[in-house]
Amino acid sequence: QSALTQPASVSGSPGQSITISCTGTNNDVGAFDYVSWYQQHPGKAPKVIIYDVSNRPSGVSDRFSGSKSGNTASLTISGLQAEDEADFFCSSYTTTSTPVVFGGGTKLTVL
Amino acid sequence: QVQLVESGGGLVKPGGSLRLSCAASGFTFSDYYMSWIRQTPGKGLEWVSYITGSGLYTNYADSVSGRFIISRDNANNSLYLQMNSLRAEDTAVYYCARDLREHRTYDFWGQGALVTVAS
Repeated sequence: QSALTQPASVSGSPGQSITISCTGTNNDVGAFDYVSWYQQHPGKAPKVIIYDVSNRPSGVSDRFSGSKSGNTASLTISGLQAEDEADFFCSSYTTTSTPVVFGGGTKLTVL
Repeated sequence: QVQLVESGGGLVKPGGSLRLSCAASGFTFSDYYMSWIRQTPGKGLEWVSYITGSGLYTNYADSVSGRFIISRDNANNSLYLQMNSLRAEDTAVYYCARDLREHRTYDFWGQGALVTVAS
C-alpha cells in the first residue's frame, strides 16, 4: 500500500483534458511544496514532468501542469495525445524517516 | 547528455547477495546526491537509499536498513548497491537516479536492473 493515494486509472479522448489526483497527509503533500510527477511508458524508466508542485523541467510540454490544495496535489494534461498514454506517479517530500514517498500510480488510457 | 546505466541484476536465492552498479556520465558525478529506487508491480515505487555527493552520508529505507549498503566511486563515476540477506520481497526493478536535493526530485533515471529473489 503506497503512502500517497492515486486513482488506479483515468481515461480521455484525444484533445480532451484530464486530471490525476494525489492525496497525502499533513506530513507530506500538505506540509511541503515538494511534489513531483513522473511519467513512465511501458518498459521505460520514469521521467520527471513536474517538480516543486508546478514547475516543468526543460523540454517538457506545457500541456502538463501541476497544482496543490491542502493535502491533495493534481496533475492536469490538456490536449490529450496518443503519446501521453502511460503510467503516472506522484511523489512528495515527507517528515518521516524516508525522504520521499510515492503514489501507487495511475494508468492513463487515451481512447 | 546525462546517462545512467545499471548492471548486476539477476536471479538469486533467498539469503543470498547481489551487487548492483550504476555507471554515470554526462555530468559532474560528485556534485550530486544519488539514490536507488525500486519498483514492483504490487507496491509501486519505493525509495531504497541515498548517498551524498562526497559519499560521507547515507540513508536507507527501514525495509533494507542493515542489509543493503550504498556506496560510490567518484573517480570512476559509479554508484553501487550491495544487497545482502535478500528476501523474496526484495524482488523488483532497481533504478539508480540522480537526486536533486534542493527540489526533492529525481531528474534522471537509469533503465533499471531486475533483481529476482527466488529459490
